Amino acid sequence: EVQLVESGGGSVQPGGSLRLSCEDSGFTFSSLAMNWVRQAPGKGLEWISQISASGGSTFYADSMRGRFIISRENSKNTVYLTINNLKVEDTAVYYCATTVVVTANFFDYWGQGTLVTVSS
Amino acid sequence: DIQMTQSPSSVSASVGDTVSITCRASQGISTWLAWYQQKPGKAPKLLISAASSLQSGVPSRFSGSGSGTDFTLIITNLQPEDFASYFCQQINSFPLTFGGGTKVQIK
Repeated sequence: EVQLVESGGGSVQPGGSLRLSCEDSGFTFSSLAMNWVRQAPGKGLEWISQISASGGSTFYADSMRGRFIISRENSKNTVYLTINNLKVEDTAVYYCATTVVVTANFFDYWGQGTLVTVSS
Repeated sequence: DIQMTQSPSSVSASVGDTVSITCRASQGISTWLAWYQQKPGKAPKLLISAASSLQSGVPSRFSGSGSGTDFTLIITNLQPEDFASYFCQQINSFPLTFGGGTKVQIK
């Protein structure tokens, strides 16, 4: 069973950096492609990035490429999202999400989300 | 990038009503579409994958249809627990993209 728990959110000033973590307490993490999705307050869902099971391939939303970096440590069952040069508009709840269906890109497992607030 | 246009952005309905939500893709995506339900303060929940495949445990009053560019989520016999926001997502190609969402409110 996949169980995702995010951490690392908090309040940060514009221009700062943050690394979010998402740990899977299940036993299949190393076979799962992992994603990050965010949701600004009162807004819709925005897909950020995906990393393949091995970590060898990564994909990004065009608007996220550059400041956002996805990575993973399969030995720790953890995927990370590093956000650099944070902007006020990055304020959002950040979710990690995945599916156990190989090659599918819908998300049937989600974490509870971690809130990032960017403010001076 | 494939743009997903969802409508309406909000709808008011009563218990027992039927609600229809549409999602249009800016280019053909076959049936590579998913629908999610989200309640305030909670993570989204996958309802339907592959445009019409109901996830295990999802009530049969939810149904999805469509292919190519036009898709529909229908909720029949609306129940109190169905008042929530709904999002479509194209899963055809990267970057993955979501529709803007539809909030189903109590009339």
